[in-house]
Amino acid sequence: DGGITQSPKYLFRKEGQNVTLSCEQNLNHDAMYWYRQDPGQGLRLIYYSQIVNDFQKGDIAEGYSVSREKKESFPLTVTSAQKNPTAFYLCASSIAGVYTDTQYFGPGTRLTVL
Amino acid sequence: KQEVTQIPAALSVPEGENLVLNCSFTDSAIYNLQWFRQDPGKGLTSLLLIQSSQREQTSGRLNASLDKSSGRSTLYIAASQPGDSATYLCAVVTGANSKLTFGKGITLSVRP
Repeated sequence: DGGITQSPKYLFRKEGQNVTLSCEQNLNHDAMYWYRQDPGQGLRLIYYSQIVNDFQKGDIAEGYSVSREKKESFPLTVTSAQKNPTAFYLCASSIAGVYTDTQYFGPGTRLTVL
Repeated sequence: KQEVTQIPAALSVPEGENLVLNCSFTDSAIYNLQWFRQDPGKGLTSLLLIQSSQREQTSGRLNASLDKSSGRSTLYIAASQPGDSATYLCAVVTGANSKLTFGKGITLSVRP
């Protein structure tokens, strides 16, 4: 089955630790995205990538980092510089950019800082 | 800066009712508008995408309309069912910034 997988489903982090969230897609999509969702808030874009080895900051990139070494993979690292990392993180992909194509979302990772 | 508003935040209706979910946006220069569904603790599922040149899109019991000039979209759900209970999010693409701007969503509860 084609789709987007995110792992782990739940992640617990101690303050001061970096953690990496995995996102993999087998849809052969060029574009991939990371969003953060907080209760009562809409989704906010963290980073996006339209092609391998290239990525752009979204609205709330501070304290986060990404890489795009393979077309299928777009991991997100939440660093200790992110002051309030507890949230639901969603990865998405699309065939190309957002202008004509819908985005397909993964099931999400819930990160909790202890 | 584009802002997307969805009011009310929550809605409860009896099963079988036809209902309309509203979405408004402040910048009418959009490329497209999308409606998504989100079940609790899950990712988003795309329901309908309307390009800026289109007026509406239909999929089964769902119909989405777009009025760019007034900055409004509606999602019409016919003959609602308990399985339609979820949060519905509206999102638009504006300008050359390659991103979706989301509303906060409407949480729909359909009572049996």
